[in-house]
Amino acid sequence: AQKITQTQPGMFVQEKEAVTLDCTYDTSDQSYGLFWYKQPSSGEMIFLIYQGSYDEQNATEGRYSLNFQKARKSANLVISASQLGDSAMYFCAMREGPSNFGNEKLTFGTGTRLTIIP
Amino acid sequence: KAGVTQTPRYLIKTRGQQVTLSCSPISGHRSVSWYQQTPGQGLQFLFEYFSETQRNKGNFPGRFSGRQFSNSRSEMNVSTLELGDSALYLCASNGQENTEAFFGQGTRLTVV
Repeated sequence: AQKITQTQPGMFVQEKEAVTLDCTYDTSDQSYGLFWYKQPSSGEMIFLIYQGSYDEQNATEGRYSLNFQKARKSANLVISASQLGDSAMYFCAMREGPSNFGNEKLTFGTGTRLTIIP
Repeated sequence: KAGVTQTPRYLIKTRGQQVTLSCSPISGHRSVSWYQQTPGQGLQFLFEYFSETQRNKGNFPGRFSGRQFSNSRSEMNVSTLELGDSALYLCASNGQENTEAFFGQGTRLTVV
């Protein structure tokens, strides 16, 4: 079974609208972390947001928020007021196990290509 | 604070050759992870180093190896290159709290 599933290969969104990128995960660990990254055409992976499995509040970073539904094993990224510069590939990733050194491996989903339309 | 630096940015090598890629993590970060990204396989974990020790390894053949130096800089080496090794190789620098993993711009390797 896939550990990280992103079911939207591509999305087109009008500028200034909000967008939700879906991510579901599969793990039997109680402690894990969920990450979202943006990858523009240049190739660099840009860290956006992190959610720990024990965090009670949904993570937020500026226009990015993570809609964390633990029981459903869902960690959707919400981008508010989308901008043309948001056009990129977006990857959801998971680190299984507790957050200590020796456990930095991230498992990535297949990504969603987001295109913002003017 | 400088980000993660990967060198070189681009490489073209011939089948059978070997290649060495370099990654300098964010100052103060002691953990470095490597990933391979291809259109067919997506992003795959290669290995992770902390304090000059390999802590974790992905499912890659022994042709892929790495090391970390005392200043936390890391290198990965691929020997006997194959066409399928053409990929974007990304290095991640991991912070102490492990709530962040910052990537470099990557090295795009083309094997011809």
